[in-house]
Amino acid sequence: EAAVTQSPRSKVAVTGGKVTLSCHQTNNHDYMYWYRQDTGHGLRLIHYSYVADSTEKGDIPDGYKASRPSQENFSLILELASLSQTAVYFCASSRQGISNERLFFGHGTKLSVL
Amino acid sequence: AQSVDQPDAHVTLSEGASLELRCSYSYSAAPYLFWYVQYPGQSLQFLLKYITGDTVVKGTKGFEAEFRKSNSSFNLKKSPAHWSDSAKYFCALEGKGTGSKLSFGKGAKLTVSP
Repeated sequence: EAAVTQSPRSKVAVTGGKVTLSCHQTNNHDYMYWYRQDTGHGLRLIHYSYVADSTEKGDIPDGYKASRPSQENFSLILELASLSQTAVYFCASSRQGISNERLFFGHGTKLSVL
Repeated sequence: AQSVDQPDAHVTLSEGASLELRCSYSYSAAPYLFWYVQYPGQSLQFLLKYITGDTVVKGTKGFEAEFRKSNSSFNLKKSPAHWSDSAKYFCALEGKGTGSKLSFGKGAKLTVSP
């Protein structure tokens, strides 16, 4: 079974502070994604990557940066955290584009910005 | 643009009944459609997908879904339901040619009472 590990599992941050969420996968997957889950909104795609050293914008990239230093690691960076970024963040990976492969999700990071 | 609608945010039924969770989509061409499930305290897990071919697709845990192009729907079904099916269910769509951008519905929380 594919394994996607997120850290931390939860975090409390202050408004204006910098937050880094990390994701690590051990399944040799090419594609990695960051989603946020809010009550009433389902999951929304923030950034994704299909190769190391390259990232793509998703549907809601504003206020977020992403970094893919290696195939295994994908980080989400909030340079200036805001209250509106309080949410649960999910990292996911897949071997190819979604039409051929399902997504494997991490357990999520609950971020509270105060 | 592509979008997914799950009109029933909460569904409650008794164990042994038949369950059907509704999903409708909006996309100009043929979509790829998915169902994921999130059990309490867990991450999202893949249930099934429709890519092409047979309009009824079977997935894990006894679930199946029917793709109906005529009314742009992809409803999830299972009979009989079990109390362990209580979870939140997400319908998702990938439009062909949109790369790896999966659009999720807001989810439907299913409660099956013993």
